[in-house]
Amino acid sequence: SQKIEQNSEALNIQEGKTATLTCNYTNYSPAYLQWYRQDPGRGPVFLLLIRENEKEKRKERLKVTFDTTLKQSLFHITASQPADSATYLCALGAGNNRKLIWGLGTSLAVNP
Amino acid sequence: EAGVAQSPRYKIIEKRQSVAFWCNPISGHATLYWYQQILGQGPKLLIQFQNNGVVDDSQLPKDRFSAERLKGVDSTLKIQPAKLEDSAVYLCASTPGARAGETQYFGPGTRLLVL
Repeated sequence: SQKIEQNSEALNIQEGKTATLTCNYTNYSPAYLQWYRQDPGRGPVFLLLIRENEKEKRKERLKVTFDTTLKQSLFHITASQPADSATYLCALGAGNNRKLIWGLGTSLAVNP
Repeated sequence: EAGVAQSPRYKIIEKRQSVAFWCNPISGHATLYWYQQILGQGPKLLIQFQNNGVVDDSQLPKDRFSAERLKGVDSTLKIQPAKLEDSAVYLCASTPGARAGETQYFGPGTRLLVL
């Protein structure tokens, strides 16, 4: 069956460290993958897009990797700050119409 | 640039009642999405409009849910009658076009509680 899995446990890290979130998928051949951030009581906010032919994308303190052999994307936040605390969602663009299929999200808490 | 607007922000109803949600996308955005997000889960697409036409409603429970976007701008989503399992946040999102990989811009959502 088709599945998207993100870290099921909440991630707690110390300020200044690098946070690494995982998105694994099975039985999909995504054309691209997006990462979004969601704060409590708000809608998701787009962070980064990476396409199937790209290995890595960076934006400021954020880095995303995409390994279509391992069927995995890693999302890194370097020099993490308490303001980075939120839920992070990965979404695959797959199928004929490339519609987004969403993971459950990983909760990140950055402690001062 | 104004973002995606949704109303109401919160709604509490009893099961078997009906409810309607409203969404106004970013000006000029042709594509509009309605998602259902149950607590602790990712968004689930209910329906996608391009202008005033339906692109995908494969996961919309059509026996109780309906949606329209008559003039290709704002949209309403209705549930009639509501069930307990409809308790969720209903998110509206929009994109400028319909190209794959476009950033989706989300509204704040409507939190529905069915008692």
